[in-house]
Amino acid sequence: EVQLVESGGGLVQPGGSLRLSCEASGFTCSDHYMDWVRQAPGKGLEWVARSRNKANSYTTEYAASVKGRFTISRDNSKNFLYLQMNSLTTEDTAVYYCARVRDSDGWFPFDYWGQGTLVTVSS
Amino acid sequence: DIQMTQSPSTLSASVGDRVTITCRASQSINNYLAWYQQKPGKAPKLLIYQASSLQSGVPSRFSGSGSGTGFTLTISNLQPDDFATYYCQQYNSYSLTFGGGTKVEIK
Repeated sequence: EVQLVESGGGLVQPGGSLRLSCEASGFTCSDHYMDWVRQAPGKGLEWVARSRNKANSYTTEYAASVKGRFTISRDNSKNFLYLQMNSLTTEDTAVYYCARVRDSDGWFPFDYWGQGTLVTVSS
Repeated sequence: DIQMTQSPSTLSASVGDRVTITCRASQSINNYLAWYQQKPGKAPKLLIYQASSLQSGVPSRFSGSGSGTGFTLTISNLQPDDFATYYCQQYNSYSLTFGGGTKVEIK
């Protein structure tokens, strides 16, 4: 059974940093593109970052709103996906979801999502 | 970035109704369009991909159509479990973008 479990969310002050983790199980993580998607309280979904699969050298993409502040990475030996978030602002307050791209190339949407982890940026 | 515009933002319907949600892209996205259902406090669930392909395990009352810039999600014979918020998403180009959502409420 495919499972994605996020952790690492919490309360952080503006300007601070936080690292989110996503533990994947039930599939070979390195075969899939893996992304982070966020949702501010009461708002819609916003794509944050992508890590392509091993066949595509784990290259990355970022939303303009987080580029230069957030870094997506993997530890494929442990089936973990990470999101390092620096220089956080109140605009980054959201539930962060880890999501798997449906097939082994990027031209598919997300077929599995984690339960989400809440990041609150506030003084 | 490609803008995705959903309409309506809210829709009131009754069990058994047929409902249609529209999603328009600011430029052609070929058929790289997905639809998700989200319930409060839960992660989104994939319903439709490649504009009209039904994800495994999703009831056949859900269907998608369209191409280029205009797409629709249709729910025939609306069931109590279908009252939720629906999002479209384009995955044709970066940044990947979602529509603003359509909340389907009980009339």
